[in-house]
This record gives sequence, structure tokens and C-alpha cells, in this order.
Amino acid sequence: SQQGEEDPQALSIQEGENATMNCSYKTSINNLQWYRQNSGRGLVHLILIRSNEREKHSGRLRVTLDTSKKSSSLLITASRAADTASYFCATHYNTDKLIFGTGTRLQVFP
Amino acid sequence: ETGVTQTPRHLVMGMTNKKSLKCEQHLGHNAMYWYKQSAKKPLELMFVYSLEERVENNSVPSRFSPECPNSSHLFLHLHTLQPEDSALYLCASSQDTSTEANYEQYFGPGTRLTVT
Repeated sequence: SQQGEEDPQALSIQEGENATMNCSYKTSINNLQWYRQNSGRGLVHLILIRSNEREKHSGRLRVTLDTSKKSSSLLITASRAADTASYFCATHYNTDKLIFGTGTRLQVFP
Repeated sequence: ETGVTQTPRHLVMGMTNKKSLKCEQHLGHNAMYWYKQSAKKPLELMFVYSLEERVENNSVPSRFSPECPNSSHLFLHLHTLQPEDSALYLCASSQDTSTEANYEQYFGPGTRLTVT
């Protein structure tokens, strides 16, 4: 399977703490994207990092990409209860398809 | 209205029923997608349309039949479904499909389908 694998499957933290989620994939990619999904809702695109980029920031989000290790991490700093959601990485190979992982469920307690 | 909308939001149907899911995007995108999301499984791509032409059919059973009358609308026609087809069905759109460009996808809120 080419899909990304997120780690951990579930993460519980207190408000104000940082949350780190990891994604590993198997073959060379064009880009890697992170999405967020609130319970039972659609996915919302968070950030896209190209294969020639190593780090990208968007607000409280920081994404890194290590193509030699075929892995990416999503860091959410100063987490809030509203960050509670599932987070998915999706990889874009040499096709027009995005391949999604199984996700990390993040719970932020107030 | 903005973004990607889906109707209905919830649907309960028997195995002998015929129903349709509707998706509409207001983003001027050329590509639209159907995904199936089951509990504890990765998001499964079902169909991809680019400029109203189907470019991907991911080995989906024939009881699911997509229709894309124009680049803003996408339907998923359902007939004689099985209980294991119960899932969240998500529609998405992107500016285009391309192996070179880097396009993010915009998702609708989904239709929660229960087959009884």
C-alpha cells in the first residue's frame, strides 16, 4: 500500500501544550498534505509541503518533511480545545490521486 | 453559498432502495471526487472526474454509479446496497488534476449513509 501511516493513532493533551503527529509513507512523492476533520464532517486542508521543501509554517502549524526518511511531522503549538479533531496526512504521487492515511485523533482538554 | 455542499447530510435506505447523493462545488474547479470513509479505515477514493469526464474508477462495485453533468455538480447513484456500504461519503473538488501541479482538495461535509 502507498498510503501514509500516521503516528500516534490517538493523542490527548492539555490546552497550551504542543501536539506532534507523524506521517510515514512508502514511495517518492510530489507533495504531502495535511488535513483536519472534525467528527463526522468533511476534511479541511491545512497545509501542503512540496517534495523539495523541508519545513513550512502556517499560523500555529509547523510541518516538516524528510524525504530521505519518507516521513513528515505536523506540530500544533499552544493547542486549544478547538483543535480537537482527526488529522490526516495525504501523499500525492505521480498520479492525480491523493492517498490518505488512517489519521491521528487529537483530544485537547481545557 | 461557498465551498462544496452535499445533500442529503444523512440517509437511511433499505437494500432494495434507489437513492442519489448530490454534490455541488462553487469554487470554479475542474475536478471532483467521491470518497468513502468507513470507521477505522483510510479514506477510500471511489471516483475522479476531470472536466466532466471520469478519469478514475477505483474498482468500485457497480451498485455505485457516478454522474457528472457539468463541472459544478457530481452525483452518486445508489442501488441495491449492502449493509457494509454504510459509511460517510465525501465529495471533494480541486482546481484540476495534474501530476505536476500541487492542488489541495476541498471537501464537502459528507453524507452519512446507513443501509439497513
